[in-house]
Amino acid sequence: QSVLTQPPSASGTPGLRVTISCSGSSSNIGSNYVYWYQQLPGTAPKLLIYTNNRRPSGVPDRFSGSKSGTSASLAISGLRSEDEADYYCAVWDDSLSGRVFGGGTKLTVL
Amino acid sequence: EVQLVESGGGLVTPGGSLRLSCVASGFTFSKAWMSWVRQAPGKGLEWVGRLKSKTDGGTTDYAAPVKGRFTISRDDSKNTLYLQMSSLKTDDTAIYYCATDQIPWNCWGQGTLVTVSS
Repeated sequence: QSVLTQPPSASGTPGLRVTISCSGSSSNIGSNYVYWYQQLPGTAPKLLIYTNNRRPSGVPDRFSGSKSGTSASLAISGLRSEDEADYYCAVWDDSLSGRVFGGGTKLTVL
Repeated sequence: EVQLVESGGGLVTPGGSLRLSCVASGFTFSKAWMSWVRQAPGKGLEWVGRLKSKTDGGTTDYAAPVKGRFTISRDDSKNTLYLQMSSLKTDDTAIYYCATDQIPWNCWGQGTLVTVSS
């Protein structure tokens, strides 16, 4: 059972928008920056969003992150088939003095 | 090109030890905070620990399941990060990734598989 709660699965139609939630607590999301990672099948994870809502160079602006209180969200607009992947949120947890990952959300593009 | 390449994985019996290496290139390794993250077969990502740059104190933090058994170190002269693992358990079976989230160097290695089995 992860400290961060993500839905195990999500799906969307090409061209539309999907959001993935990440729920935590005051000791993690409530007081630290949230990061999001994309893991395509059979590959290493890749940083998608850092410090809640910033994109590394090369990440399309179709991907956006937000945070409110003890929850965070990743939104993907203009959904494409190549977005089919596992998505993970991550954040430092002050109580655990360590980083925690959400359980991951498997995104299916219908 | 920013790159991380892990090595050292393999099959080890329970209670054994193994040392993983991660060679960095394409960025100023000595300034980077580095992490190890693992992924058990068919499971999600699990943070193992991190090592700050020497200029930021060079301290380490570990996840509870590995604390006291795993040690992260670095050799900045060789651009190399290490993960020394001892008292290995079957639950430690996973792909081990080294990674840095520091912008603009953010990068993950391809991973190295560690299998703990008798």
